[in-house]
Amino acid sequence: DQQVKQNSPSLSVQEGRISILNCDYTNSMFDYFLWYKKYPAEGPTFLISISSIKDKNEDGRFTVFLNKSAKHLSLHIVPSQPGDSAVYFCAASPPGGFKTIFGAGTRLFVKA
Amino acid sequence: NAGVTQTPKFQVLKTGQSMTLQCAQDMNHNSMYWYRQDPGMGLRLIYYSASEGTTDKGEVPNGYNVSRLNKREFSLRLESAAPSQTSVYFCASTPTDTQYFGPGTRLTVL
Repeated sequence: DQQVKQNSPSLSVQEGRISILNCDYTNSMFDYFLWYKKYPAEGPTFLISISSIKDKNEDGRFTVFLNKSAKHLSLHIVPSQPGDSAVYFCAASPPGGFKTIFGAGTRLFVKA
Repeated sequence: NAGVTQTPKFQVLKTGQSMTLQCAQDMNHNSMYWYRQDPGMGLRLIYYSASEGTTDKGEVPNGYNVSRLNKREFSLRLESAAPSQTSVYFCASTPTDTQYFGPGTRLTVL
């Protein structure tokens, strides 16, 4: 049973518009959430994170929202740029942090 | 500062062959990880090493062994490769919660 789910395998957005990537989790013990970005033939790179004590974290064009009651987090990218086209992985960590669980990823296409 | 390096980049094995995937990091991180990525499955943790001298099983450890050779190096060994181990393997290291990944090794087992 997947503990972290990204239900949209792909998303297509026009350049300049907002991209919203969603993630759901089932384990209420997770206390730290992360988003990673992956280009083809490269390893994932860290994008942004949020602790369970917060409901929002912002870094430039990227904002992550956490709704603990719904066990849902989302990544907003505003404005979207063609260089944002990549696979985005949602990840969740339990206390201690070692056994991070990753979602299956969402492929974002930003059209120029 | 090379970050996390992995060798080889590509490998083709026959069923039953053995091989070792190498990983090294130059960031002085305590913790290191091995993941596999399969289509539609995300990254799944195989083994991790919280610190030098310790290793622990992750979500999918069967068919693999690991060695934390020193603080820098963490290797993954397939003793008898199977077609189900065809995957892309990523090594990662971390000082805290954020993981730094290597470029990956694409392994095909025929």
